[in-house]
Amino acid sequence: SYVLTQPPWESVAPGKTAVITCGGDSLGDKSVHWYQQKPGQAPVLVIYDDADRPSGIPERISGYKSGNTATLIISRVEAGDEADYFCQVWDNNNDHVVFGGGTKVTVL
Amino acid sequence: QVQLHESGPGLVKPPQTLSLTCSVSGASISSGDYYWTWIRQPPGKGLEWIGCILYSRITYYSTSLKNRITMSLDPSKNQFSLEVTSLTAADTAVYYCARVTTFRYMDVWGKGATVAVSS
Repeated sequence: SYVLTQPPWESVAPGKTAVITCGGDSLGDKSVHWYQQKPGQAPVLVIYDDADRPSGIPERISGYKSGNTATLIISRVEAGDEADYFCQVWDNNNDHVVFGGGTKVTVL
Repeated sequence: QVQLHESGPGLVKPPQTLSLTCSVSGASISSGDYYWTWIRQPPGKGLEWIGCILYSRITYYSTSLKNRITMSLDPSKNQFSLEVTSLTAADTAVYYCARVTTFRYMDVWGKGATVAVSS
């Protein structure tokens, strides 16, 4: 089955930049989507199709993909950005949704 | 504004069957523009996809769960449902329903329903 790999955590000081990666085989052939999940809440879509932002998501949150790695960037990090972040793709071979294991972002 | 709301029992005994319903408002589940999906999250762990159902009632199920799950639609109530059989403690989780766009991402989520499996 298809696997997406994320680092388990990322620590960042306020005002700095958080960088979260998501890797997978042939990821360049797939669209990558990102979700933010704060404690006790449902996930929220923050990036879709590698780099597009839904309405209401601040421009500080951006995404891009290069080769087999997708990256979520949170600029000028605030305390409110502390959350778990999950990447997701659709595995066409198996008609499955696949999530990465998630990255916990801690604001120091 | 589209909203999804999960409902079901908070506690189920093993090896009983879990039945969950997702009520949709602000959109029709009969629309061909979207899929409807269930995702769960065990305590302290990541997101696990369970399956999807289309308006045509075509279903896609997780390989690891396909022998124990059934998804269905009720257009008259604008709801879709999930059944999970032969429950064990490992099925304890928050269960989310969500809408899936044709581009295969979840744009609207319910708040989640907590399910504990315990005797």
